[in-house]
Order: sequence, then structure tokens, then C-alpha cells
Amino acid sequence: AQSVTQLGSHVSVSEGALVLLRCNYSSSVPPYLFWYVQYPNQGLQLLLKYTSAATLVKGINGFEAEFKKSETSFHLTKPSAHMSDAAEYFCAVSEDTGNQFYFGTGTSLTVIP
Amino acid sequence: DAMVIQNPRYQVTQFGKPVTLSCSQTLNHNVMYWYQQKSSQAPKLLFHYYDKDFNNEADTPDNFQSRRPNTSFCFLDIRSPGLGDAAMYLCATSRGTGVRETQYFGPGTRLLVL
Repeated sequence: AQSVTQLGSHVSVSEGALVLLRCNYSSSVPPYLFWYVQYPNQGLQLLLKYTSAATLVKGINGFEAEFKKSETSFHLTKPSAHMSDAAEYFCAVSEDTGNQFYFGTGTSLTVIP
Repeated sequence: DAMVIQNPRYQVTQFGKPVTLSCSQTLNHNVMYWYQQKSSQAPKLLFHYYDKDFNNEADTPDNFQSRRPNTSFCFLDIRSPGLGDAAMYLCATSRGTGVRETQYFGPGTRLLVL
């Protein structure tokens, strides 16, 4: 089975600073990877996804992620944090059989004014 | 806008009193999912429907049931809620079950068990 690991359950950045949220996956086959954002008391919203077309994936709200096969990573970045980015972020990998998503344990992002 | 709708957003029930959560979608997707998300944890898949075919996760308690009367609607029934069932319940949909398929989530229903 696939799995993802999100390093850092809590990340704090200053407004305007770089956001880096880490995600590593385990897979013996090319994975399909997703980043979702969850605002308080809301459902999950898709930020971006990697489906092997391009290693650098651009998403909504200025976020992007780079797939690095050699590092089995799919880290999420944003050049300049905004207060509205404060939320929980989940990395997920799609299983190659069936339709199971494997979610990471999430990273809570705090943006300090 | 095409979307996934969950009602109610907040549900309070009593210990042991059956409760039903509802989900509807205007995306015309074939697959609908129910997830349970406890505080500060990742969503956990309970079951999903591909059209009318029901697929239960192996570790989903029998206390949880689901119905999908048509393409647009799916219900989660908790027959005898316990305190440990208090959680956010998320409904999601996808067009198909391929590995590239994106899952689209509703806003969730937060269940409180008294």
C-alpha cells in the first residue's frame, strides 16, 4: 500500500515569508499525489495534484509543489505567506489499484502578522 | 456551480440515538465516499459507492451504514452513536475510480454525541 508522511504537524511563518510544507511518499510505482487545504470547520479543497504530466505543479492561491522522484517528495511551497493561508494542509497519494486515497496526518499552518 | 453539499453542517445527537447525515452532489459523479475525521487527524475512509456498488472498508464498524438511492444522494446512518463517534464526517465524490481521479469534498457535518 501507498503511504505519505508529512514532517511537521505545526508550521509557523511570518506574513510575507516563504511557506514550505513537507510531504514524502512511499511507492514502488509512479504515484499520483495531491495537496488539499482545510479551513476550520470546512471540508477539504483541492490545491493541486501531480499526475505525471509535469514535475512542477501550480495550484490555486499561489501554491505550487515539485515532484522529486529521487527524494520521493512532493513538498508544497508558496513564496509569500498571507494571513488567509492559515489552515490545515493534507498531502494524499492515490493507490494504484482501486480508488483509495491515503492521507498524511496533516500540517497546521499558522501565519504570524 | 457544481458542488458537493452536506446537511446539516452541525448535528447533535444523544448516545445510542440513530442519526442520519446526508450528502448530495451536482457533479454527476459515479463515486461517492464517506470519511470520518477526528480532531487533528487525517480523514479515514469508511466506505464508498461506485454507482450502486457498495464498498465497505474492512475496519469500518457495523454501526455505520450507508445508502445511495440515486446518483445524486448518499446517506450515512449511524445506528447507535457512541461518544467515540463524535467527529467531522466528510462526503466526497469522484468521476471514476482511476488512480488519477480527484476527489471533491463537501464542507462536512460535525457530529456531537451527548
